[in-house]
Amino acid sequence: EVQVVESGGGLASPGGSLRLSCVASGFSFNAYSVNWVRQAPGKGLEWVSSISSRRSYIYYADSVKGRFTMSTDSAQNSLYLQMNSLRAEDTGIYYCARGQGGIARDGTADIHFDYWGQGTLVTVSS
Amino acid sequence: QSVLTQPASVSAAPGQKVTISCSGSSSNIGNNYVSWYQKVPGSAPRLLIYDNNYRPSGIPDRISGSKSGTSATLAITGLQTGDEADYYCATWDTGLSVLIFGGGTKLTVL
Repeated sequence: EVQVVESGGGLASPGGSLRLSCVASGFSFNAYSVNWVRQAPGKGLEWVSSISSRRSYIYYADSVKGRFTMSTDSAQNSLYLQMNSLRAEDTGIYYCARGQGGIARDGTADIHFDYWGQGTLVTVSS
Repeated sequence: QSVLTQPASVSAAPGQKVTISCSGSSSNIGNNYVSWYQKVPGSAPRLLIYDNNYRPSGIPDRISGSKSGTSATLAITGLQTGDEADYYCATWDTGLSVLIFGGGTKLTVL
């Protein structure tokens, strides 16, 4: 059974840091992209970052670029999100998701997220 | 405000059909595939449609997707009270090199 399980959320002060983890099981970890998506309270889904299958490329939303860093540990089937310089607007539930598809040579993308974790709550407040 | 535009809300009676639109541009929907997600409060998002019109295993055929030009549409027929949720379209934006979600549409089954 495919599963992704997030952890590491909690309360952080503005300007502080948190490290989220996501452990994957039930599939070949390096054969799929892995991704972070968040939802602020009362808001919609917002894509945060993605790392491609075979780990060739990492992409970030402009809202987190330069502050968040995504990494993986294939031996542990794990994905991480190091979040620095946290802001109040980073508050929300962070979901880890397995991705399918990718970006073809002609630039056409068919990226979608087929398995999601239950999320971990991040609160940035003084 | 998202680059992908969805109506804030739609509603219909049980058993009826509803459609949710998602409007974008040539840099996103026009040249990439669209996926759709259902989000129920307190639950993880669920993939409903991928590659414009394909359903993952376990998604009933009363749920369908389509794309034309720079717009995509999700259709749900035979509405049930359990379909009440927020629905999001998503696609890659080639110009921005980011994945974008629509702003979401709240479906109410009257």
